[in-house]
Amino acid sequence: DADVTQTPRNRITKTGKRIMLECSQTKGHDRMYWYRQDPGLGLRLIYYSFDVKDINKGEISDGYSVSRQAQAKFSLSLESAIPNQTALYFCATSRGGQGFTGELFFGEGSRLTVL
Amino acid sequence: AQSVTQLGSHVSVSEGALVLLRCNYSSSVPPYLFWYVQYPNQGLQLLLKYTSAATLVKGINGFEAEFKKSETSFHLTKPSAHMSDAAEYFCAVRFTGGGNKLTFGTGTQLKVEL
Repeated sequence: DADVTQTPRNRITKTGKRIMLECSQTKGHDRMYWYRQDPGLGLRLIYYSFDVKDINKGEISDGYSVSRQAQAKFSLSLESAIPNQTALYFCATSRGGQGFTGELFFGEGSRLTVL
Repeated sequence: AQSVTQLGSHVSVSEGALVLLRCNYSSSVPPYLFWYVQYPNQGLQLLLKYTSAATLVKGINGFEAEFKKSETSFHLTKPSAHMSDAAEYFCAVRFTGGGNKLTFGTGTQLKVEL
């Protein structure tokens, strides 16, 4: 089983719909991240959380919200999806504090298409 | 401003040829540097990292990278490409003072031809 699991893996939706992408991890890591991947743009950080009570905006948080329901769960929501949010979304985890080496552990991605 | 640049969005090499993927960063203080690889339909995985120890870093699958402070570069190399190396490669940087976050380059798609 994957250490970082994302659901759904693929989703097609319509403009204006609310969408939630979920991420769960069994690595026991404190830190969780949501990235968005677009061709030619690499990965851009949407939100990150260093523990259950800590949520931080990344470089492209507008139009997104997150919830850290537990240490192991971090969900990303699009309240009203728009076509330019069509992308591949990745959840990632890492160790925290002095244990942070820069290594992120990624899920397999959630491909979202907004029509 | 701190940034990371990957030159060449697509690189094509013949099997057995040298692989060279370029990464440059912009920062007055040497950061921590990483290369990640993304195989088709998969998430990213760490290939290698530089964290201020040896400047020549060896990673998995025969890849290595050399940190050159004077050139603000961290290019990825492999002496002999294999078909299984075809993937997208991302350079990532943890800038000093940037919190425990990584900034990713735009990626280089490596194609390996027979």
